[in-house]
Amino acid sequence: GAVVSQHPSWVICKSGTSVKIECRSLDFQATTMFWYRQFPKQSLMLMATSNEGSKATYEQGVEKDKFLINHASLTLSTLTVTSAHPEDSSFYICSARDIGTSGTQIFWNEQFFGPGTRLTVL
Amino acid sequence: DQQVKQNSPSLSVQEGRISILNCDYTNSMFDYFLWYKKYPAEGPTFLISISSIKDKNEDGRFTVFLNKSAKHLSLHIVPSQPGDSAVYFCAASRYSGGGADGLTFGKGTHLIIQP
Repeated sequence: GAVVSQHPSWVICKSGTSVKIECRSLDFQATTMFWYRQFPKQSLMLMATSNEGSKATYEQGVEKDKFLINHASLTLSTLTVTSAHPEDSSFYICSARDIGTSGTQIFWNEQFFGPGTRLTVL
Repeated sequence: DQQVKQNSPSLSVQEGRISILNCDYTNSMFDYFLWYKKYPAEGPTFLISISSIKDKNEDGRFTVFLNKSAKHLSLHIVPSQPGDSAVYFCAASRYSGGGADGLTFGKGTHLIIQP
């Protein structure tokens, strides 16, 4: 269980074009999904928090008009990189937070990550 | 300013021995900590987590220890196996009203298990 998929797994585009990346939770509902970016030999950096049915919350330094996030359903969030430039080339990873229960205790579970999308902007 | 630090970029351990990966954090608001395993060009795979109300959590070969006063946590893998070779990320977050926030990651430690 707790599988998260991303599509596409890799994409190459020309500078100035827009690219959409999908993140799906396959066997659970996720009210919250997160988008991360990883540059080579760097750590994963949180870009934004995506809540179903509401606007995303962006981390400092992340342009919301450039990285459009839509979380229209409990199983799908999309990240659109608008007017992509070579410096946007990176590995984009989403995660989804599962709400788990253990007996009578409700606990907030760990995040499950998708396999990532490699974006290369020429 | 790095809020989660993994000061060892790499660690080499013999198969069968104990692997100890360390992590330090600076933000005292963090109260939930996780370890992930990652292969190149793949998403991280969750290993084990611990909340700040505990000082130890165990799951099979993996044990995480948390020392809140020192703002330090460690992951112990025993016995180490060749399949454990990967990059290990330490991550931290806070619980907010709606659940855990997005994660802050360290830079990772590349664990190499030698036969």
